[in-house]
Parts: sequence; structure tokens; C-alpha cells
Amino acid sequence: EPEVTQTPSHQVTQMGQEVILRCVPISNHLYFYWYRQILGQKVEFLVSFYNNEISEKSEIFDDQFSVERPDGSNFTLKIRSTKLEDSAMYFCASSDPRLQETQYFGPGTRLLVL
Amino acid sequence: KQEVTQIPAALSVPEGENLVLNCSFTDSAIYNLQWFRQDPGKGLTSLLLIQSSQREQTSGRLNASLDKSSGRSTLYIAASQPGDSATYLCAAPRGSGGSNYKLTFGKGTLLTVNP
Repeated sequence: EPEVTQTPSHQVTQMGQEVILRCVPISNHLYFYWYRQILGQKVEFLVSFYNNEISEKSEIFDDQFSVERPDGSNFTLKIRSTKLEDSAMYFCASSDPRLQETQYFGPGTRLLVL
Repeated sequence: KQEVTQIPAALSVPEGENLVLNCSFTDSAIYNLQWFRQDPGKGLTSLLLIQSSQREQTSGRLNASLDKSSGRSTLYIAASQPGDSATYLCAAPRGSGGSNYKLTFGKGTLLTVNP
């Protein structure tokens, strides 16, 4: 069964460093998303991406964040200058709205900013 | 703005018991609602998606219902097993006036099924 994959599974970085989180969505899906979950808190929407542009973003998704689909398979989230409060589990998801709009999530990248 | 609440926050049951998890949402103008399972430190596994035109959706021992008018959904688990132990999350897209694709999550119900 097709699945969303994410790399790395864990990332430790120093405050102020740039990180890039990578995702490979399900191949025939058209919508891509990033969510995050701070430890003990709810899963929060960050951004959705369709037709090579951001379709919606949350107030969390400020100028420090960017997303890109550099080729036909990868979808990346970049944090330019990490802060301590960026420590969280980051989930990538994809969906095909031509079907039932179910969002399929990847296993997540656990980011720890020191 | 969509708000999603789940009760109870935690539930502990003996193996074999049938149980119900509850989810409520504030904006009922939704097209669907999705239930997920999350194991500790892991990703989200989609369990069921209910379209607004459906009242129920079943997958194996799981049955989810949706009542848009009251802003409620329930997840029924029959004959619970220790392997069902996990956090169950309910997620609704934004309702009226917004994207159908941005999911708002509840905080989840932590289920423990004791052998």
C-alpha cells in the first residue's frame, strides 16, 4: 500500500541553524501539507500546497518557514533560523481530493532545537 | 474558526469491552471528518473518514458516526483488544468560508485496554 515517507526520523540542531525536513508524498496525490505537534499538545496545521504554490498557511507559518516541491516526488519544509520553540514532531501529509479527501500522514520527523 | 474537543481525555477498559470515544466540533459546515490513531512517538494512521452525506462508516471493529446538526462524532470500538491501546484523534476541516483541507485536531483520547 502506498505511504507517505519522511526523512530524517530525528533531527537535532542548534538554535539559529537552518533545517530542511523532507517528505515523499503518495505519488498520485495533488495536495500536500505540513503539520506539527509540540510534545503533549494538539496536532497543528502549518501549510497546505497545491499546484506548486501555497494554498493556505497558519499564523505559525511565518517568514522563517518555507516549503518547496523541488521535483516530482519530494516536498520539503525549511526552517531558516530555528528557535527553541520549533522543537516538535513535524508531519507531512498528502491527499487526493478526487477521491475522498482522506489525508494520509507520514511517520513524522522529531526535531529538537538546543 | 473550527474548534475540536474530545472526551474523555483518557480511558482504561478491560479487554473485550465495547467502548465509545466522543468528538465535538464547533463549525458544523464540514464536508467530512476523519479519525486517526497515534501510537506513542509515532505518526498518525487514518482509521475512518466520514463524508457529511454519510451518518456512519465502518471498518472492521470500528464504527464512526457523524451528526453534523449537533456537531458530534463518535468512534465505537467493539470487543476491544490490548493492541487497540493508543491515542485516538478526531480531525475536522474548517467549515464555512474556509478550506476543506486544513484539518483541526482534537487533543485526543488516550485509550488503554488491559489484558
